[in-house]
Amino acid sequence: AQKVTQAQTEISVVEKEDVTLDCVYETRDTTYYLFWYKQPPSGELVFLIRRNSFDEQNEISGRYSWNFQKSTSSFNFTITASQVVDSAVYFCALSEGPGGSYIPTFGRGTSLIVHP
Amino acid sequence: NAGVTQTPKFQVLKTGQSMTLQCAQDMNHEYMSWYRQDPGMGLRLIHYSVGAGITDQGEVPNGYNVSRSTTEDFPLRLLSAAPSQTSVYFCASSYLERETQYFGPGTRLLVL
Repeated sequence: AQKVTQAQTEISVVEKEDVTLDCVYETRDTTYYLFWYKQPPSGELVFLIRRNSFDEQNEISGRYSWNFQKSTSSFNFTITASQVVDSAVYFCALSEGPGGSYIPTFGRGTSLIVHP
Repeated sequence: NAGVTQTPKFQVLKTGQSMTLQCAQDMNHEYMSWYRQDPGMGLRLIHYSVGAGITDQGEVPNGYNVSRSTTEDFPLRLLSAAPSQTSVYFCASSYLERETQYFGPGTRLLVL
């Protein structure tokens, strides 16, 4: 069973639409970390956010926002007023311990295509 | 700082050949890892290291070897290349496993 599930394989939107990328994780540990990374068409992997399990406060950074809900084991990512430059593959990752030794596990990614 | 560097950027091998993918970081990170990225499969962990002299297997270790003789370098060796190893390989590092991962630019490998 996947520890990090990104059920949306591909999402296609038109510019200026809002879009939410889902991430559901599975862990038995109380201490863990969640991440989002972006992989634009150029191929590099870029860090977006890190959140620890003790901080459920939602975060907003410009057009990006993250909704962390422990009750549903979800860490969803919303892009407001999407732009063509947001087109990329987005990965959610979990770092759990101590059984998982904090070794990061990545989801399979969601490909976001923003059309002009 | 150069961050995480990988060489080569692109390589073509014939089945059965061996080669080493190089990875180096200049951030004094303890944790380093190798992933392969295949369409629809996300990033799968091959091997990782929590410090010099310490390595361990990830999700898909078969056909690959690693060693970590220094903090800076973490080479990945393909012992006898197979077409199934055609993939994009990423090296990553972080101060600790639970910290933000810094990725190299990737190596695109084609095995014929």
